[in-house]
Amino acid sequence: GDSVTQMEGPVTLSEEAFLTINCTYTATGYPSLFWYVQYPGEGLQLLLKATKADDKGSNKGFEATYRKETTSFHLEKGSVQVSDSAVYFCAQENQAGTALIFGKGTTLSVSS
Amino acid sequence: DTGVSQDPRHKITKRGQNVTFRCDPISEHNRLYWYRQTLGQGPEFLTYFQNEAQLEKSRLLSDRFSAERPKGSFSTLEIQRTEQGDSAMYLCASSLRGKNEKLFFGSGTQLSVL
Repeated sequence: GDSVTQMEGPVTLSEEAFLTINCTYTATGYPSLFWYVQYPGEGLQLLLKATKADDKGSNKGFEATYRKETTSFHLEKGSVQVSDSAVYFCAQENQAGTALIFGKGTTLSVSS
Repeated sequence: DTGVSQDPRHKITKRGQNVTFRCDPISEHNRLYWYRQTLGQGPEFLTYFQNEAQLEKSRLLSDRFSAERPKGSFSTLEIQRTEQGDSAMYLCASSLRGKNEKLFFGSGTQLSVL
């Protein structure tokens, strides 16, 4: 069935380091892909999305490119800040377009 | 836009008891979703409503679970005869159906079944 696999955490970085969180998906067809972020004590928030192959989603300095050849949607940021510390979830839309299928989440911890 | 509200934030109950959670979506949103999240896992879809109609239910939603959305506004999720395996964070989300549909999540209700 459809699923999302993302790299296990925690990921621990120093401020201004480069971030990559890997995400791959399995699906029939080409689902929309998403990254959600959950800051401590808050609900999940949409960070960015891409709806078709080669689309690049971007927000708050984060980017991810929809790669159908590698079925991947890796999250990147050139210079992380302490305030980026959160749990990041990769997700895809299900076939019917009625729900999201999430990965297990990756905890990012950034220290100054 | 006051966001998606869930009540209560935390619920502790004994095995076998019934519990009910409430979700108030963003007022103009016509779609409402329930997800469940256990420790170390991503959210798993349970069910969703468009207006007052429950259009899809996951096989995770056993017959002890029931969800309603009367009048297409707030929603309730009831779990009957709770089991320890029901302990999880129950998340509600809402959206406005359309081309650039975006899901807004509440902070969740943390259920602990003792």
